[in-house]
Amino acid sequence: LAKTTQPISMDSYEGQEVNITCSHNNIATNDYITWYQQFPSQGPRFIIQGYKTKVTNEVASLFIPADRKSSTLSLPRVSLSDTAVYYCLVGDLGLSGGYQKVTFGTGTKLQVIP
Amino acid sequence: DTEVTQTPKHLVMGMTNKKSLKCEQHMGHRAMYWYKQKAKKPPELMFVYSYEKLSINESVPSRFSPECPNSSLLNLHLHALQPEDSALYLCASSQTQAGVVFTFGSGTRLTVV
Repeated sequence: LAKTTQPISMDSYEGQEVNITCSHNNIATNDYITWYQQFPSQGPRFIIQGYKTKVTNEVASLFIPADRKSSTLSLPRVSLSDTAVYYCLVGDLGLSGGYQKVTFGTGTKLQVIP
Repeated sequence: DTEVTQTPKHLVMGMTNKKSLKCEQHMGHRAMYWYKQKAKKPPELMFVYSYEKLSINESVPSRFSPECPNSSLLNLHLHALQPEDSALYLCASSQTQAGVVFTFGSGTRLTVV
């Protein structure tokens, strides 16, 4: 699986848009990019998944350039409750059924400041 | 039901105790996982069950013993743990053992004294 690299931490003021980048230079053709959010003492929570261009849901947007070697999670108008660790994972949808080991990288700790 | 439920939420145990962590899901997922997470670190995979059979053991010490009684339940039996085993233990499930979309429980905070 492609290794991912993210900034260790980011600070943002409330109400601002936050963009968290993830580098995955060795992404494979069948790989998707998936982002998780984790609050302290809770399990990670699925946020968004995409393959190329742009994906948007009620929580976030995911931007993926044409070469797919990186991706950007965009959180609009963050609030204090968005303070969490955000993980980027890369892997295929598993349609072949075979096991693929998914490794969480270090993640990005986002601190939202009042 | 779109949740993974873990019990207990907190557990303190001595090094000679035997205890079990429990995990339950009713989403029809056929893969279930145990992860261990130390403070300020990402989750680390311990075990994978696929269709109720142990698929992956990430070289976990034998003092951790997983069990999958049925497709909805996953247990982690603990015996003779060490203080360094203190961590947040997370259970997760997914539709199959492939793919990258997981549903995690809230975890069990384990303290070994």
